[in-house]
Amino acid sequence: GQQVKQSSPSLTVQEGGISILNCDYENDMFDYFAWYKKYPDNSPTLLISVRSNVDKREDGRLTVFLNKSGKHFSLHITASQPEDTAVYLCAAGTGGNNKLTFGQGTVLSVIP
Amino acid sequence: GGIITQTPKFLIGQEGQKLTLKCQQNFNHDTMYWYRQDSGKGLRLIYYSITENDLQKGDLSEGYDASREKKSSFSLTVTSAQKNEMAVFLCASSRDRANERLFFGHGTKLSVL
Repeated sequence: GQQVKQSSPSLTVQEGGISILNCDYENDMFDYFAWYKKYPDNSPTLLISVRSNVDKREDGRLTVFLNKSGKHFSLHITASQPEDTAVYLCAAGTGGNNKLTFGQGTVLSVIP
Repeated sequence: GGIITQTPKFLIGQEGQKLTLKCQQNFNHDTMYWYRQDSGKGLRLIYYSITENDLQKGDLSEGYDASREKKSSFSLTVTSAQKNEMAVFLCASSRDRANERLFFGHGTKLSVL
């Protein structure tokens, strides 16, 4: 089965609004969580990551929230801009083992 | 900085054909990966390698072979291409097992006629 799931294939947000992207996982052993961003015809690049010893990490307009008991993590993008339009892939893994498992991706569209 | 180069960018094959995809990285990274990207299914791990000559199966290894000939290169072979198969194969590398950040190549687009 799908160990890491992004249940929303797409999301549309107005410019200036908050984009919230969600990811659920099944494996209790996962302790590393990441979000990658992918533009069309480009390769995915790491946006932000967090370890399981924290439940929140901020970096500029980006915040990752981790809910270990609910096996859920999310990415919040504040003041969303048209250039945030891309595919967002969540990923999870076990520390010391680089075998990252990715979700299916969510296409974010930020409209002016 | 470094770069990951995948060749070819586009690959058209015939059903049943054996096809090889190549990947080179100049980051001097230990670990390299091959992922397959299908529409609606995200990235699925085919094979990875933690050092030269090492090979580890991912979730989707059946139908593929891989080879880590040297630290900088990792090749993937589709052993028998499936008719109408269409996917993007992404190669990636990371510094070591404790550093999870993956750097990706731009992909090889496979179409099987």
